Order: sequence, then structure tokens, then C-alpha cells
Amino acid sequence: DAMVIQNPRYQVTQFGKPVTLSCSQTLNHNVMYWYQQKSSQAPKLLFHYYDKDFNNEADTPDNFQSRRPNTSFCFLDIRSPGLGDAAMYLCATSRGGGGNTEAFFGQGTRLTVV
Amino acid sequence: DAKTTQPPSMDCAEGRAANLPCNHSTISGNEYVYWYRQIHSQGPQYIIHGLKNNETNEMASLIITEDRKSSTLILPHATLRDTAVYYCIVKYGGYQKVTFGTGTKLQVIP
Repeated sequence: DAMVIQNPRYQVTQFGKPVTLSCSQTLNHNVMYWYQQKSSQAPKLLFHYYDKDFNNEADTPDNFQSRRPNTSFCFLDIRSPGLGDAAMYLCATSRGGGGNTEAFFGQGTRLTVV
Repeated sequence: DAKTTQPPSMDCAEGRAANLPCNHSTISGNEYVYWYRQIHSQGPQYIIHGLKNNETNEMASLIITEDRKSSTLILPHATLRDTAVYYCIVKYGGYQKVTFGTGTKLQVIP
């Protein structure tokens, strides 16, 4: 049973046209993460939410925004996609608090910019 | 978070044990060692984690040296489906973001 679901799996967008990627979870986890993974590279953290608290990575471009309207859903908005934003975008969740906090990842959305 | 060093690639014969090393010489006393893997075109998958003691689950074993400066992930009987990039990550327990290093690309050979 899928626990972290990303839609769509593949997204094609035009250069400069805003695009939104979505992530939902059935785990009721406090924390939701967005990662960008370019070809042959490791995933790179863009930002994460702990409940409603947003935490941006220092080097995440302003072109990337996120929304988390409730516990289950989180969105990644790319305001003006450039060719360099073509990548796999991964959503992940984890529990907050102490103890083992393994992260659960979705299957990713592969974004193509044309 | 402490830095980790892993070999960029390794080969393993199918059915043999795959031993993936990780160096984390700057690990602090409260940091755990986590392992994830990423099969091509899929999201990363949690494998195992440990603090001081060796750990084993249905997927793998984790051996941590006594000084905790290095560890080894062991896949006891590698299959072709174990071909993936394996990431060793050091982080504090509890809520802490997962930051990936470069990982080891394991190729299981028939």
C-alpha cells in the first residue's frame, strides 16, 4: 500500500510556466520534505515542513515555493521553471519527536521543461 | 551532521555477500548511522540504522566499529534486485532532516 504518493509521476511543463507538484501521505507524519534529484546526483533537500513550520534550505532558489494546507498534503510550486529545473522531485515524510525517524519516500515526479 | 565517505562503486556476484563500507570519522556520540538505497528511477528506501551495537533486520546487517568511526552494511545474499545506489547517512536521532552524500553504486553481477 502506497504511503507517500506523488502525482503525477511524469510532468512536462513549458519554460517559464508555473507548475505544481503534489504529495500526499497516509502515515500522519509531522514532517514532509521536498528533494530535487538531477541525473546521476544524490537527492538535494530543498525544504521541509515540521507540522506547519516551514524550513527552507539556504541555497534553495526563490523560484521554489511550498505549501502544506494540512497534515496529509504538501505541494511544490515552481514559479518560473527553467531548463535547469528539469529533475526528479522526491517527497518524503518522517515522524517528528524522538526515536527512530526513518524517512519514507514517494516514487517521485520527473519534471521535464520544454 | 557528520560527513560520510563511501566508495563510488562496487561490484558483487549474485548470491554472495555484499559488504558496503562507510567512513564517518567525525561522528558524534549522539549521532546514528542510517542506510538508504535507491533503485533506479525509484524513491530512496530505508534499510537499517544503528547507534553503537550491530543491527540486523530482514534486509541487511549493520556492523559499526567500536570507535564508531566507520560501519559496514552487509547484504548477506545479494540478488540482481539489490543493484542500487546505497547511501550512508549520519544524523541525530529524532527529528532531523536526511541529507544525502554521494553514495555507493552497487552492481550485482549474474
